[in-house]
Amino acid sequence: QITLKESGPTLVKPTQTLTLTCTFSGFSLDTTGVGVGWIRQPPGKALEWLALIYWDDDNRYSPSLKSRLTIAKDTSKNQVVLTMTNMDPGDTATYYCAHRRHYFGSNWFDPWGPGTLVTVSS
Amino acid sequence: DIQMTQSPSSLSASVGDRVTITCRASQNINRYLNWYQQKPGNAPKLLIYTASNLQGEVPSRFRGSGSGTDFTLTISSLQPEDFAMYYCQQSYSTPLTFGGGTKVDIK
Repeated sequence: QITLKESGPTLVKPTQTLTLTCTFSGFSLDTTGVGVGWIRQPPGKALEWLALIYWDDDNRYSPSLKSRLTIAKDTSKNQVVLTMTNMDPGDTATYYCAHRRHYFGSNWFDPWGPGTLVTVSS
Repeated sequence: DIQMTQSPSSLSASVGDRVTITCRASQNINRYLNWYQQKPGNAPKLLIYTASNLQGEVPSRFRGSGSGTDFTLTISSLQPEDFAMYYCQQSYSTPLTFGGGTKVDIK
């Protein structure tokens, strides 16, 4: 059974750097084809994809946030870390990590972690 | 970026109704389209992947169809537990993008 859980601060100040950790079980991030993604959701709004890291350390970022994001994996700890610099109140959202599944070029997120609400406020 | 447009943004329906939600991509995405269900306070849950494949535990009243730019999620007979938000997501290319969501509530 695959599970993921996000952890990190619930409150950050504007201009600070946010560091979120996704701790997972039930799969290994050094298995070919595996990936972990980060998605966020501002209160009452739609989902927004942020970043994705693959088993081979390749990664992808949302172009609009690329300059502020870094995604990295620690295979020995079964963790993926997302950092976002220069936080702004507009970054207030629930942040989710999710397991990326794939099949013949198609891919999807399943399952997701429960999410962690991050509020940006002074 | 590929834009995903869902319609309607909300709908009201009764238990037993047939419900259809559409998702349109701004360019051809083949069949690389996924559907998620999200209930208040919970994380999204995968319903359908690659346009028409039901995730293992999803009831058969859910059906996905379409290819290219136009896709549909149909619930054949709405059940009380189906009242939720529904999102489509394209995986044809990064940046991965989601639709704006469709809220299905009780009439």
